[in-house]
Amino acid sequence: NAGVTQTPKFQVLKTGQSMTLQCAQDMNHNSMYWYRQDPGMGLRLIYYSASEGTTDKGEVPNGYNVSRLNKREFSLRLESAAPSQTSVYFCASKAHAGTSGLSSYEQYFGPGTRLTVT
Amino acid sequence: AQSVTQLDSHVSVSEGTPVLLRCNYSSSYSPSLFWYVQHPNKGLQLLLKYTSAATLVKGINGFEAEFKKSETSFHLTKPSAHMSDAAEYFCVVRPYGGSQGNLIFGKGTKLSVKP
Repeated sequence: NAGVTQTPKFQVLKTGQSMTLQCAQDMNHNSMYWYRQDPGMGLRLIYYSASEGTTDKGEVPNGYNVSRLNKREFSLRLESAAPSQTSVYFCASKAHAGTSGLSSYEQYFGPGTRLTVT
Repeated sequence: AQSVTQLDSHVSVSEGTPVLLRCNYSSSYSPSLFWYVQHPNKGLQLLLKYTSAATLVKGINGFEAEFKKSETSFHLTKPSAHMSDAAEYFCVVRPYGGSQGNLIFGKGTKLSVKP
């Protein structure tokens, strides 16, 4: 199993450009998440998808859109990038809530995408 | 509102000495608690997780954490630091009744290990 994969690993954008960050998981997990990580801020939830076909806003959704393409894939789109979106972006996935024990709460993280907006 | 506070942004220890990373949580009920570790330029990896069955939780790589409800704390410890422990550590809470397993992350503690 590859677990959670993200592409690209690094990206530099100019202000106003758009791009899509890709995430895929091969663990048959129902829930998927997008976080951003900024120095001294921990991880903050941007959007999540509890199951295929549903998406919901997290703590910091402004400036982003998401698509849950199928059960495996969850993409994050920046329509018009701003310098404030310079960050490291992590995708995560989680098994269905019905899974026994606290393993149902554990989120598995991808390696991250380092995005710089100039 | 439920929250988690990591009391130190940076901890420095010498190799072979004990590690203590402090975490306090705020919750009306007993939450689910986790510690994640992030090595430089890597994703996050689960170190350990709290279940209501035992207050002392053992994780990977010799780390432990003790849940103390009276102190609302979940401090992470290791008896003897190794150079490979140098990383950033996140205390994480899943609030009781929280929807969809959404997690609340602390701001992180960077652990440095000196030779």
